[in-house]
Amino acid sequence: GNSVTQMEGPVTLSEEAFLTINCTYTATGYPSLFWYVQYPGEGLQLLLKATKADDKGSNKGFEATYRKETTSFHLEKGSVQVSDSAVYFCALTRGAGANSKLTFGKGITLSVRP
Amino acid sequence: DGGITQSPKYLFRKEGQNVTLSCEQNLNHDAMYWYRQDPGQGLRLIYYSQIVNDFQKGDIAEGYSVSREKKESFPLTVTSAQKNPTAFYLCASSIQANTGELFFGEGSRLTVL
Repeated sequence: GNSVTQMEGPVTLSEEAFLTINCTYTATGYPSLFWYVQYPGEGLQLLLKATKADDKGSNKGFEATYRKETTSFHLEKGSVQVSDSAVYFCALTRGAGANSKLTFGKGITLSVRP
Repeated sequence: DGGITQSPKYLFRKEGQNVTLSCEQNLNHDAMYWYRQDPGQGLRLIYYSQIVNDFQKGDIAEGYSVSREKKESFPLTVTSAQKNPTAFYLCASSIQANTGELFFGEGSRLTVL
């Protein structure tokens, strides 16, 4: 079945550092890919998405490119801020069929130091 | 403001008791979901509902029950049959089922004493 693998965490960075969070997936066909973010004490929010190969999703300075050849959807940001400290989840879904659902990775905690 | 409201935010339960978590949305979304979040395990789907009066089991439905009598409401009951109920529970909704674009509530933390 569909699955998502995220790099092990936690990740600690200094403010203004470059961020990469790896995400790879296993799925048949052409899933849609997502990054969700969970700030402390809150529910999840959709950060960005990509629905087909080579699409780039972007939001709030974060970017991720749908790479079918490497089955990856790595999250990047050029300069992180303390306010980016949160848990980040990679996820995928396939189509709109009755059996399709959103599958999440385990999440990775990012802490940004001033 | 449109959104999803979960209550209570914190709940304590004695072993052997059933407890119901509330989830209400005013986004006019057709689909609603319940997820369980445990440290290091990500989110796991308990139940989902694509439309009023219909719902399906997710990956870990055992020990849980739901109802969807109104479009806005999708309560989750954690029964005494759930062997390890202490967790953070998240309710979500989407315009249609299986779009992947979910709106989440702030969660309910259940602790079994």
